[in-house]
Amino acid sequence: EVQLVESGGGLVQPGGSLRLSCAASGFTFSSYEMNWVRQAPGNGLEWISYITASGTTIYYADSVKGRFTISRDNAKNSLYLQMNSLRAEDTAVYYCARDRDSGRGYYGVDVWGQGTTVTVSS
Amino acid sequence: DIVLTQSPLSLPVTPGEPASISCTSSQSLLHTNGYTYLDWYVQKPGQSPQLLIYLVSRRASGVPDRFSGSGSGTDFTLKISRVEAEDVGVYYCMQALQTRTFGPGTKVDIK
Repeated sequence: EVQLVESGGGLVQPGGSLRLSCAASGFTFSSYEMNWVRQAPGNGLEWISYITASGTTIYYADSVKGRFTISRDNAKNSLYLQMNSLRAEDTAVYYCARDRDSGRGYYGVDVWGQGTTVTVSS
Repeated sequence: DIVLTQSPLSLPVTPGEPASISCTSSQSLLHTNGYTYLDWYVQKPGQSPQLLIYLVSRRASGVPDRFSGSGSGTDFTLKISRVEAEDVGVYYCMQALQTRTFGPGTKVDIK
């Protein structure tokens, strides 16, 4: 079964750090581009970061640029999001999501994890 | 940056009746490769988002054929031919031409 499972969420104080992980299974993780998408309480979806299959190209939304770092370990079938200098407005459910297979065309962001909740509060 | 707008933001529907959601982009989503990078997603209550339509009109695997997408350039439409109770949720368009951007979402519920 194709699956993404996020972990690492929790309660953190403003200014603190947190590292999210996303474990992939059921597909060739190293072939796929990946995203982090978040959803603040009661709000819509916000794309925050993207990484190519090899990890050589990375993009961030302006809202997290300079504070968050996306990375991946293809040997461990894992995607990560290092979040520093956290703010109250970073409170959200964070989803990892599978994007394009680098060897094929675009077929949409077709696999999503269940999400992990990050709460930034004192 | 590409900005997406959706209308309406709220859509009460009657089961069995058609429904339509519009998505407008601040710039053309047509790539030089000839593909237009506009997708549709739905987030049902308590669930993660799921892909409905990619590249304007291509249904994702397992998506019922009552869902269809159309449009070009900057203007796109998602249509549900006959709404079913299980279709309630928030529908988002997303552009994949330059990084990724979601529209604000359209909440579909039953009248």
